[in-house]
This record gives sequence, structure tokens and C-alpha cells, in this order.
Amino acid sequence: QQQVKQSPQSLIVQKGGISIINCAYENTAFDYFPWYQQFPGKGPALLIAIRPDVSEKKEGRFTISFNKSAKQFSLHIMDSQPGDSATYFCAASLTGTASKLTFGTGTRLQVTL
Amino acid sequence: DGGITQSPKYLFRKEGQNVTLSCEQNLNHDAMYWYRQDPGQGLRLIYYSQIVNDFQKGDIAEGYSVSREKKESFPLTVTSAQKNPTAFYLCASTERAYRVAEAFFGQGTRLTVV
Repeated sequence: QQQVKQSPQSLIVQKGGISIINCAYENTAFDYFPWYQQFPGKGPALLIAIRPDVSEKKEGRFTISFNKSAKQFSLHIMDSQPGDSATYFCAASLTGTASKLTFGTGTRLQVTL
Repeated sequence: DGGITQSPKYLFRKEGQNVTLSCEQNLNHDAMYWYRQDPGQGLRLIYYSQIVNDFQKGDIAEGYSVSREKKESFPLTVTSAQKNPTAFYLCASTERAYRVAEAFFGQGTRLTVV
């Protein structure tokens, strides 16, 4: 059972455009929602994260929007750059337990010139 | 520099062989994890360990085994019982088990069955 659904599977955006990746979760007990960025042949790296008591978090060009009632959260990349081309994973976790990250299936982003 | 080192980067396995993937961290993190990554399926948890000499099965533990004899080391053995072992394997660690979101990942090992 997939607990975190991510879309789209792939995304092509022109340089300077806005990239938007969406995730939806099922388990209302999740209380931490990170996004990871992965370049080819490398391990994922934490990009930005949010807790459900906040509706938006911004770090530079990256913004997470969180809608608790809809059980959805999204990553917005403003002024997308070719260097942003990577695979992005959303995830959800339960803190304070002997727990784990549940990942979405990933979105491959390509930013064209 | 602190980090997680996985070796080898590429590994080829013959049918019926057991192989062991290495994961070493010098971050002094308590918890360590093994994930499997397949195209279109995200990352799936194989095993995790919160402390030395203790580990728990993740979502897809069948055909895999681990040990945690030292804090800094968490090797994964892919046994012949794993029917489809070809995948990208990622090791991760967190400072404490409950801070699972702040995970640091290694560079991965790509295992191919030949």
C-alpha cells in the first residue's frame, strides 16, 4: 500500500520557470514532511522539510506548501535553473517512534535552457 | 570530512551467490538504514538499526540480512533467496532513531545480477 503518492513522474520546465511537484499522503499520523533531491548516481540529500502546523516554508528558491485538511503538500522551485535538474522525492515520517521515512515514487525534473 | 561511505560503487553478482554491501559512517550517528531504489518505486526500507547489536526488518526484508556489531558499520548481505536483487542500494544514518527525517545518505551501490 503506497502511503505517499507523488506526481508528476517527470517534469520539463524552461529555465526561469516554476517547477511544481505534488504529494498526497494517507496516514494522518505523519508529522514531518521532507523533500529530498537526488542527482544521478548519488544518494538523496535533504532539501527542505515542513511540519503540519505550518502551511508554508520557504528556503531560497524552494518553497513547501502544506494543506493539512487535504492531506497534500507540494514543492515549488522558483526561477528553475539547469542545475536543479534532478529527481525529487517527497517523504513522510512519524517522529518520536522507532520509525522510518515513507517515500513517494519520485519526480524527474529537467530544466531546459 | 564526516559522512557515509558505501562500497563498492558497482557490484555484479552471479545467480545463487550471496554478496555483502558495505556501509560505514563517521558521523557518530546512532541509527542506520538500508534502502532499495528501483525505477518508478521510490525508496523502500529493507532494514534499520537504532543501536549496536539491534536491528529491525523494514518493508522488504525478505532475502536480505544485516548486522550491527559496531556503531559505525551496518553491512547488508543480499542472499540467494532474494529473487530480484538488481537495484540501487542506499545506506543512510540519523543522529538519533527518532530524528528519522534528517537522514544522511551514502552514494549508493548499484548491484547487478549477471
